[in-house]
Amino acid sequence: SQWGEENLQALSIQEGEDVTMNCSYKTYTTVVHWYRQDSGRGPALIILIRSNEREKRSGRLRATLDTSSQSSSLSITAAQCEDTAVYFCATNTGANTGKLTFGHGTILRVHP
Amino acid sequence: GGIITQTPKFLIGQEGQKLTLKCQQNFNHDTMYWYRQDSGKGLRLIYYSITENDLQKGDLSEGYDASREKKSSFSLTVTSAQKNEMAVFLCASSIAANTGQLYFGEGSKLTVL
Repeated sequence: SQWGEENLQALSIQEGEDVTMNCSYKTYTTVVHWYRQDSGRGPALIILIRSNEREKRSGRLRATLDTSSQSSSLSITAAQCEDTAVYFCATNTGANTGKLTFGHGTILRVHP
Repeated sequence: GGIITQTPKFLIGQEGQKLTLKCQQNFNHDTMYWYRQDSGKGLRLIYYSITENDLQKGDLSEGYDASREKKSSFSLTVTSAQKNEMAVFLCASSIAANTGQLYFGEGSKLTVL
């Protein structure tokens, strides 16, 4: 199926736990974006990792990229209730095309 | 900072009707996008425009037309709304193609009766 047609996956954790979300992509990309979407809002970029980087950190967020296996992960350390959102990865399917394709997304619920 | 404004926020149409969604950005970005998001699913690219006067088809362009009237605006037309169709249409912009962050609007929710 086409990316984006699949149902969102769901993860449910307790506050304080660490969580990792995975993303596999099918075509070459020079960058992997991770977006967060809150209910009723548009997605917002939270971290971006380029193909020459293996790891990127931003606060409690950590993104990894393995170009050989065409996969990326987003980890949240010590999750908080306000981390509850839908998380998407996105890749640019070809250099300089401007075409950004989103993955299927993960609904993360963090319970107090 | 800039903002992306999508109008209308809610759109109700009849089957077979032509419906148009509008998007304005004041970031002065070159590239604009339209995505469709069905309930409980991811985002699918409908059309994008790398720069003013450019138009590129995405993965889901059939049944849609788009127009980049000027640098700041990008509209999307559903050429013939399908009954029971319900989705959120998201407009986004980026400073240039392939350079990174997309900025999204709040979305336009379409319901077809």
